[in-house]
Amino acid sequence: DAEITQSPRHKITETGRQVTLACHQTWNHNNMFWYRQDLGHGLRLIHYSYGVQDTNKGEVSDGYSVSRSNTEDLPLTLESAASSQTSVYFCASAGGSGRVGEQFFGPGTRLTVL
Amino acid sequence: KQEVTQIPAALSVPEGENLVLNCSFTDSAIYNLQWFRQDPGKGLTSLLLIQSSQREQTSGRLNASLDKSSGRSTLYIAASQPGDSATYLCAVSDRGSTLGRLYFGRGTQLTVWP
Repeated sequence: DAEITQSPRHKITETGRQVTLACHQTWNHNNMFWYRQDLGHGLRLIHYSYGVQDTNKGEVSDGYSVSRSNTEDLPLTLESAASSQTSVYFCASAGGSGRVGEQFFGPGTRLTVL
Repeated sequence: KQEVTQIPAALSVPEGENLVLNCSFTDSAIYNLQWFRQDPGKGLTSLLLIQSSQREQTSGRLNASLDKSSGRSTLYIAASQPGDSATYLCAVSDRGSTLGRLYFGRGTQLTVWP
């Protein structure tokens, strides 16, 4: 069965370190998204991609970057981790077949920045 | 900017009750609306997807309706069960692109007690 996976599931890091969160999907979807979920804010969009070599900023993109070198993967990099980036991060993908536009989410990565 | 509101924020009901969760959005120019379920510490599971041209979708005991002109959607859960306890999230997709980003409400936390 097609799926979307994230790794690591839990990560503790220190302020100022570079951190990369992995996202891998086997749906063959062109569209991929990164969200963060925080109490009091709900889910907010960080970055998204509509295909290989395409990346776009979401509403809370400062301090984050993504790159898309193939269809399956969209890694999220925190350039210099800050305590404000402690959150749960979700990756999602969407495609054009079946239920068009339906987004599927990964299990999430809980990141703690000390 | 699209804003999505969910009412109530929390709901506690006895097993067997029929219940309605509400979702409203400020910009009616949406592409689709999606309802998700989120269990504690888990990712989001897609429940129902309604395209903007549709009025409702059904899956088992779940029925979701969409009134795009008034900016409202409802999720109806029939004969609720303790296993339905979770947070239910509503999200709308903007019409800027076919498979666009999602704007989320903050969710309704549902508890169904035996």
